[in-house]
Amino acid sequence: DAKTTQPTSMDCAEGRAANLPCNHSTISGNEYVYWYRQIHSQGPQYIIHGLKNNETNEMASLIITEDRKSSTLILPHATLRDTAVYYCIVRSGGGSNYKLTFGKGTLLTVNP
Amino acid sequence: NAGVMQNPRHLVRRRGQEARLRCSPMKGHSHVYWYRQLPEEGLKFMVYLQKENIIDESGMPKERFSAEFPKEGPSILRIQQVVRGDSAAYFCASSQEGAGGEKLFFGSGTQLSVL
Repeated sequence: DAKTTQPTSMDCAEGRAANLPCNHSTISGNEYVYWYRQIHSQGPQYIIHGLKNNETNEMASLIITEDRKSSTLILPHATLRDTAVYYCIVRSGGGSNYKLTFGKGTLLTVNP
Repeated sequence: NAGVMQNPRHLVRRRGQEARLRCSPMKGHSHVYWYRQLPEEGLKFMVYLQKENIIDESGMPKERFSAEFPKEGPSILRIQQVVRGDSAAYFCASSQEGAGGEKLFFGSGTQLSVL
């Protein structure tokens, strides 16, 4: 699986959009980009995933660059409850989607 | 519509004792996965089970660790003769589709502390 690089930490004001970047320059054609988050003392929570098109759901939007070497997770109106570690994970589309490799992620702190 | 249930939430054991961690998957899910998160590290895959079958245990230490998912009842992760290095958060996840499908649903974890 391709490696990902994320900033260690970010801050965001409550009510503003939070834009979390992820670099995955070695991604291959059949690899998806997944985002999970982990709120303190809880298990990871699935947010969104995509292959090459931008995706949106009730939680967030995922913007993937045309060359697929990077992506951005957007939380449109961050709340205090969005404070968490956000993990960007690249996984192949077939086979063992359960073997997620969680790196250090980005600690997003939403401030009042 | 309960999620993935893990118990106990916290477990304290002395070196050499056994630890048993339980996981009940979401309703309708028959695929269970165990992950371990060591302090200050990311989660790492340990084992994937279906009912009565171990599908992939490539991430589980060969000694002292075992897992099962019986026909009836929760999945159990068992650690024999625990050592201090086993102190970690153990997370269980489940999915409806095999091989993880599109996403995994995680429980709140069991924090194991070995004294």
